[in-house]
Amino acid sequence: DAGITQSPRHKVTETGTPVTLRCHQTENHRYMYWYRQDPGHGLRLIHYSYGVKDTDKGEVSDGYSVSRSKTEDFLLTLESATSSQTSVYFCAISGTGETQYFGPGTRLLVL
Amino acid sequence: KNEVEQSPQNLTAQEGEFITINCSYSVGISALHWLQQHPGGGIVSLFMLSSGKKKHGRLIATINIQEKHSSLHITASHPRDSAVYICAVNAGNNRKLIWGLGTSLAVNP
Repeated sequence: DAGITQSPRHKVTETGTPVTLRCHQTENHRYMYWYRQDPGHGLRLIHYSYGVKDTDKGEVSDGYSVSRSKTEDFLLTLESATSSQTSVYFCAISGTGETQYFGPGTRLLVL
Repeated sequence: KNEVEQSPQNLTAQEGEFITINCSYSVGISALHWLQQHPGGGIVSLFMLSSGKKKHGRLIATINIQEKHSSLHITASHPRDSAVYICAVNAGNNRKLIWGLGTSLAVNP
């Protein structure tokens, strides 16, 4: 299994609070991705990174920001959490090939 | 209409049956992926295909580029195969994937 961890694994927060999710990899892969998964929508790309300090928006980036200051860490921040951001968040990585390897997911509940 | 369509949405089978899940796409692709997600679990890549056929254990994936169609077959199905199977494609020169909505498979003993 690819070395990918996500933290926290579960989080409950209140509307309007900032939240940061962390993805950490030990594979030295160049590409990292943040997805959200919701019933009826499948996986949707929030942001992705193609190198340190190089990031780009996905299809559902509004309300989210990311940072990648080191190869191994990709942070996803919800600046002011809303109930619509209740979801399961997955981080993924890929290297020279196109196969993506997924982390275990973070369940976020925004009350 | 989604660019990647999977059928069926839901599938129930008896242990031992041969199972086929289909994926059709409407864009030009460089690769197609099949992934598996167990209930409450993570997502695992099963296959990446750009042509022909690949086999791993009881799983077989095929792709027909001209028809823009791929199938995932499971031979001698087992209850542990119960999961959501997801098709995704690489279209264009970036690393973004276009995702299908998944096929939920339940294999009964």
